[in-house]
Amino acid sequence: GNSVTQMEGPVTLSEEAFLTINCTYTATGYPSLFWYVQYPGEGLQLLLKATKADDKGSNKGFEATYRKETTSFHLEKGSVQVSDSAVYFCARQGGSEKLVFGKGMKLTVNP
Amino acid sequence: DGGITQSPKYLFRKEGQNVTLSCEQNLNHDAMYWYRQDPGQGLRLIYYSQIVNDFQKGDIAEGYSVSREKKESFPLTVTSAQKNPTAFYLCASSFTGVDQPQHFGDGTRLSIL
Repeated sequence: GNSVTQMEGPVTLSEEAFLTINCTYTATGYPSLFWYVQYPGEGLQLLLKATKADDKGSNKGFEATYRKETTSFHLEKGSVQVSDSAVYFCARQGGSEKLVFGKGMKLTVNP
Repeated sequence: DGGITQSPKYLFRKEGQNVTLSCEQNLNHDAMYWYRQDPGQGLRLIYYSQIVNDFQKGDIAEGYSVSREKKESFPLTVTSAQKNPTAFYLCASSFTGVDQPQHFGDGTRLSIL
């Protein structure tokens, strides 16, 4: 079946560091790709999405580009803040399929 | 404000007892979903419904049941057949379509007494 593989962490960074979270997906069909964020004790929130190759999703300083040639959707932020501490999930959804999540990566940002 | 409301936030179950988790949405979404989240395992789909009066099993449906009598509501019952029910349960909803993101509630944490 279709799957998503992402860095699992946990990862600890200092404030203002550069962040990359790798995500690769199975290439069956033409899936839409998503990044979700989960803050402690809460549900998931959509962070950004991309629906076709070469699309770039962006929100709150985070960016991810839909790369069909490498089947990747890596999440990046140039300067993380303490408030970015959360768990990040990559996900794919294609055709009539259900949303498939990666296992999530816990990020802690220290001041 | 539109959104998804899950209740209660915390729930305790005794051995052999059924419990029902509530999920209500006012986003006019057609599809609704239930996920279970365990530490280190990400999210696993329990049940989903794309239309009123119809629902399908997800990856881990055993020991759970659902109903979808109204578009706005998708309650989940954790039955006594579910031997390891302690987890964080998340409800979500969305419009149908491959590019439609799911919107999540704040979850219910279920524990066994």
